[in-house]
Amino acid sequence: DAKTTQPNSMESNEEEPVHLPCNHSTISGTDYIHWYRQLPSQGPEYVIHGLTSNVNNRMASLAIAEDRKSSTLILHRATLRDAAVYYCILRLIQGAQKLVFGQGTRLTINP
Amino acid sequence: DTEVTQTPKHLVMGMTNKKSLKCEQHMGHRAMYWYKQKAKKPPELMFVYSYEKLSINESVPSRFSPECPNSSLLNLHLHALQPEDSALYLCASRPLGLGGTDTQYFGPGTRLTVL
Repeated sequence: DAKTTQPNSMESNEEEPVHLPCNHSTISGTDYIHWYRQLPSQGPEYVIHGLTSNVNNRMASLAIAEDRKSSTLILHRATLRDAAVYYCILRLIQGAQKLVFGQGTRLTINP
Repeated sequence: DTEVTQTPKHLVMGMTNKKSLKCEQHMGHRAMYWYKQKAKKPPELMFVYSYEKLSINESVPSRFSPECPNSSLLNLHLHALQPEDSALYLCASRPLGLGGTDTQYFGPGTRLTVL
């Protein structure tokens, strides 16, 4: 699996937008970009995924660079409940069964 | 029912004990996974079952023995563990086949301590 690079930690304030970056310069054309997050004392949970176009869902938005070598997870209005470790993962959509987690970004939200 | 359950939540065992971790899902998912997560580290894949057959073993020591007795249940049998095996053990599932997605659904984990 191609490698992703994320900052170890980030801090933001409640009710402000948060932009979590991910670099994946070795991404191949068939790699989807997935984001999962792990809240304290819980298992990881799916956040969002995309291939080329920007994606929105009820939890977040995913902005993918035109060359696909980087992406940004956007939390539009952070709450204290968004404090978690966020993982950016690349996966082949067909056949790949493995999630290979990178180190992730630990997001702290200040009240 | 859209969740993966894991029992027990916590387990303390000695190095000579035999114990089992249990994972259950009733979402009809035919892929099930075991991950190991050490403190402040990302989860690491251990085993994958597809249609109740072991499809991936990430070179896990034989003191960990997985079992998938049916499509809803996944066990991890533990024997002669070492203190360094203390970790959070996570189970996950994913739908396969028609309508299958790439999204994995994780349980809350079992926190294992080996004395």
